[in-house]
Amino acid sequence: GAGVSQTPSNKVTEKGKYVELRCDPISGHTALYWYRQSLGQGPEFLIYFQGTGAADDSGLPNDRFFAVRPEGSVSTLKIQRTERGDSAVYLCASSSRTRVETQYFGPGTRLLVL
Amino acid sequence: QKEVEQNSGPLSVPEGAIASLNCTYSDRGSQSFFWYRQYSGKSPELIMFIYSNGDKEDGRFTAQLNKASQYVSLLIRDSQPSDSATYLCAAHSGGSQGNLIFGKGTKLSVKP
Repeated sequence: GAGVSQTPSNKVTEKGKYVELRCDPISGHTALYWYRQSLGQGPEFLIYFQGTGAADDSGLPNDRFFAVRPEGSVSTLKIQRTERGDSAVYLCASSSRTRVETQYFGPGTRLLVL
Repeated sequence: QKEVEQNSGPLSVPEGAIASLNCTYSDRGSQSFFWYRQYSGKSPELIMFIYSNGDKEDGRFTAQLNKASQYVSLLIRDSQPSDSATYLCAAHSGGSQGNLIFGKGTKLSVKP
């Protein structure tokens, strides 16, 4: 079956602009995660959805970052007033309800803020 | 602060040798542990997970867990050049907390 998909694969934007990154999880997976990975670092947790609700958003760095999952499937990560420090690869992962901890990653969106 | 520590490497081994990758974690409440392989420019790919003390084998890969020492390792037997990648160790605390805590990864290079 299809894995996690993310769009766009690359996004270049200017400082101060708004961006949206999309994630489509594995079919049937109820849990969805957003991570951010900077060069030379491991993925860093941002937010976790179980169904439509954010079960844990403690990793969001500030109020410029927001994520939604209105129908419990596709999720959108939204970044307002982008800064150069937001440049990173944004990874989405999903897992089943019965194996929440076993997470499968999508290909990521490489965000570059100029 | 919950942390997962890995030697960043690079770890260089000859083709056919055993590669040994190590990881320690700070949170004694961690319940399960994962090894991901990440090729350059690609996303992490799950290769092994382990929940219980001891060894778990899957093909050429063996994961080892020692909860008393808060230590996880991954052995790769008969290493191949295609195993050259960064290996990420991750810990999960269990319960309702969803996120994995990742180490920075160890870069493995298998020389032909």
